[in-house]
Amino acid sequence: DGGITQSPKYLFRKEGQNVTLSCEQNLNHDAMYWYRQDPGQGLRLIYYSQIVNDFQKGDIAEGYSVSREKKESFPLTVTSAQKNPTAFYLCASSITGGATDTQYFGPGTRLTVL
Amino acid sequence: ILNVEQSPQSLHVQEGDSTNFTCSFPSSNFYALHWYRWETAKSPEALFVMTLNGDEKKKGRISATLNTKEGYSYLYIKGSQPEDSATYLCAPDNAGGTSYGKLTFGQGTILTVHP
Repeated sequence: DGGITQSPKYLFRKEGQNVTLSCEQNLNHDAMYWYRQDPGQGLRLIYYSQIVNDFQKGDIAEGYSVSREKKESFPLTVTSAQKNPTAFYLCASSITGGATDTQYFGPGTRLTVL
Repeated sequence: ILNVEQSPQSLHVQEGDSTNFTCSFPSSNFYALHWYRWETAKSPEALFVMTLNGDEKKKGRISATLNTKEGYSYLYIKGSQPEDSATYLCAPDNAGGTSYGKLTFGQGTILTVHP
């Protein structure tokens, strides 16, 4: 089955620790995205990548880092510099990253920092 | 960050009722508007992509219209069913098409359809 997988579903970390969230897609899509959702707010874009080895900051990139070494994979690292990391994180991909391309979403990872 | 407003924030209707909600966005540099449905415990799923002023799209009992000059879109659900219960998200692209899919999502309208 083609799709986007995110792991783990739930993640707990102690304050001050970096943590990496996994996102893998087998849709052969060029573009990938990371969003964050907080209660009562819309999805906010953290980082996006239109092609391997290239990525751009979204609206709330501070305290996060990404890499895009392979087309299928776009891991997100939540660093200790992120002031409020507890949130629900969604990964998405689209065919080319065009403005009218549908974005396909993974199931999400809920991160709780204790 | 773009100002995208969805109203109402939540809506409770009875099975069989028809309903509609609104997405407001800046009209400047508009290129496309996406609507997504997000059911509990599932991933957001695309409903429509709209680009032209006056566009109307339909998928089963769900339809959407677009007014790019005044910056709003309506989503209509005819004869709501319990399975329509979900959060409905809109996301415009206001970068003239050069944003490489950098969408700004509204906070969503939570629809609950009671049997």
